[in-house]
Amino acid sequence: GQNIDQPTEMTATEGAIVQINCTYQTSGFNGLFWYQQHAGEAPTFLSYNVLDGLEEKGRFSSFLSRSKGYSYLLLKELQMKDSASYLCAVMDSNYQLIWGAGTKLIIKP
Amino acid sequence: GAVVSQHPSWVICKSGTSVKIECRSLDFQATTMFWYRQFPKQSLMLMATSNEGSKATYEQGVEKDKFLINHASLTLSTLTVTSAHPEDSSFYICSARHQAGGDTGELFFGEGSRLTVL
Repeated sequence: GQNIDQPTEMTATEGAIVQINCTYQTSGFNGLFWYQQHAGEAPTFLSYNVLDGLEEKGRFSSFLSRSKGYSYLLLKELQMKDSASYLCAVMDSNYQLIWGAGTKLIIKP
Repeated sequence: GAVVSQHPSWVICKSGTSVKIECRSLDFQATTMFWYRQFPKQSLMLMATSNEGSKATYEQGVEKDKFLINHASLTLSTLTVTSAHPEDSSFYICSARHQAGGDTGELFFGEGSRLTVL
């Protein structure tokens, strides 16, 4: 079956760096997405990786290794507003998005 | 960036009534829109894929007669929850794929609609 795994919850300190991992097993691969979702709100797009390597976008970076079925989202210079759930999603061979359960990130002062 | 608007944001209804949720792409044409449901502390679950001018494709386990989807134009898709029951209470989210984005284009999400069925 298809499966996306990411930690349920993580805690980090304001100003620090945190890495949220995502591993996947899907039928085919057409890219991996990271979304941020604040409580009670819809997800917002953060990044898209389809080739191996690191994509940097400001304080957020996303890494992909297709051979390992692995990705991570790296958040630098953490701010209190970064407290949210971070969803990893993989697009499979049918161009369907398979969603992880999300990682709740708690930022402490 | 592209904007997707969803309405209403909140809706409370009595059991047995029907509720319609609208999803609009405000500044782009969306040939494909997706409807998701999210229960508390769970992942987004795709309910159906809606293509303009054709019938929606429903995911396994989603009752097409209960969740009616209409995608009448390139900027509007509607989800109607018919004969709603308390177990249908959930957060419903739509997303639209920008026509220019192709099959791997970015998805833009609506604000979500929280349905509570009493």
